[in-house]
Amino acid sequence: QVQLQESGPGLVKPSQTLSLTCTVSGGSISSGGYYWSWIRQHPGKGLEWIGYIYYSGSTYYNPSLKSRVTILIDTSKNQFSLKLSSVTAADTAVYYCARTATGSPIDYWGQGNLVTVSS
Amino acid sequence: DIQMTQSPSSLSASVGDRVTITCRASQSISSYLNWYQQKPGKAPKLLIYAASSLQSGVPSRFSGSGSGTDFTLTISSLQPEDFATYYCQQSYSIPYSFGQGTKLEIK
Repeated sequence: QVQLQESGPGLVKPSQTLSLTCTVSGGSISSGGYYWSWIRQHPGKGLEWIGYIYYSGSTYYNPSLKSRVTILIDTSKNQFSLKLSSVTAADTAVYYCARTATGSPIDYWGQGNLVTVSS
Repeated sequence: DIQMTQSPSSLSASVGDRVTITCRASQSISSYLNWYQQKPGKAPKLLIYAASSLQSGVPSRFSGSGSGTDFTLTISSLQPEDFATYYCQQSYSIPYSFGQGTKLEIK
């Protein structure tokens, strides 16, 4: 059974960089065919794709966030990470890591990590 | 990017009611349409994939239909645990966009 677990600070100051890590267990992040994704949900709002990284290292970023987002993969630790720079209060959200594949639904989600941007 | 539009945005219903939620894609997505249920404080849970396939463990009162651009999620007889927010999502073209959600509330 694959499990995903987000970790990282719950409070980030404005203008700083939000950093989260997703640890994958029960399966190898290097196994082909999966998009390791970050999705966020603003309080009381819908779901927004931030981006994904393929096991090969190729990435996709939401154009609205592209200038501030970096997603990296560390196959040795079976982890992938999210960095979002120059955060503002508008980046306050629950951040989920998730797994999907070509043409497939999201089959595994992390439990979510609430990140609040505040001084 | 493909835009997904759900209707209604919110819905009040009673236990035992039959409920239908619709989802429309801005272009044809064949049957690459998934439905999720989300309860407060939890990650979304996959209910239906490929438009009409029931995810393992999901009660049979949930069903999905449609292809191309128009899709529906039907709950045949609402149970108390079904009151939640429902999202559609297309997995036809990156980015795999979501609908804005339908909040199902108790009448």
